[in-house]
Amino acid sequence: AQSVTQLGSHVSVSEGALVLLRCNYSSSVPPYLFWYVQYPNQGLQLLLKYTSAATLVKGINGFEAEFKKSETSFHLTKPSAHMSDAAEYFCAVSVTGGGNKLTFGTGTQLKVEL
Amino acid sequence: DAGITQSPRHKVTETGTPVTLRCHQTENHRYMYWYRQDPGHGLRLIHYSYGVKDTDKGEVSDGYSVSRSKTEDFLLTLESATSSQTSVYFCAISESVGRQPQHFGDGTRLSIL
Repeated sequence: AQSVTQLGSHVSVSEGALVLLRCNYSSSVPPYLFWYVQYPNQGLQLLLKYTSAATLVKGINGFEAEFKKSETSFHLTKPSAHMSDAAEYFCAVSVTGGGNKLTFGTGTQLKVEL
Repeated sequence: DAGITQSPRHKVTETGTPVTLRCHQTENHRYMYWYRQDPGHGLRLIHYSYGVKDTDKGEVSDGYSVSRSKTEDFLLTLESATSSQTSVYFCAISESVGRQPQHFGDGTRLSIL
C-alpha cells in the first residue's frame, strides 16, 4: 500500500520569499504523484502532477515540483510567494492497478505574511 | 472547471436519521469517488465506482453505502447517521486510472447533532 507524509502542518513565509512544501511518499511500485490546493470553503484544485515523464514538473500559479526517486520525495516549490498563495496544500499518490485511488497526505496550511 | 455538482452543499441532521448526498457530473467520466475530509486526516476515500453499478470500498467505508445507476450520478448514503460522520464530503471524478488526475466538487458540509 502507498502512503504520503507531509512534513509541517503549518508553514509561514513572507511575501516574495521562497515557498517549500515537503512531501515524501512510500510505494512499492512506480507512483503517480499530485499536488492539490484548497482555498477556504472550496474543493481541491490540481496544481501539478508527475506521471513518469519529466522529473521536474511545472504547474499552475508558478509552482513546480521535482520527483526524486532516491529520496522518495516530491517537494513543492515557488520562487516568490504571493498573498494569494495562502491556502492548504495536499500531496497525493496513486499507483497503476489501484483503481486510481488517491492516498492523501494530511495537508500543509501555507500562510503568507507581509 | 470539471462539471461536478454536489448536493446539498450544507446539511444539518440528527443522529439516527438517514442521509443521502448526491454527486452529479457532466463529463461522462468512468470513475467517481467519495472522500471525507477531517482536520489532521487529509482526505480519506470512502467508496469509489469504476462504472455503472460497479463500486468498491475505500479506506473508511463502515457506515456508508453507495449507488451508481447512471454514469452521471453517484450517491452516498449514511443509513443511520452518527456524530462521528460529521465531516466535509467531497466527490471526485476521473477519466481513467493511473496518470489521470481526479477533479473535485465543491464539497458538502454535513453536521450530525
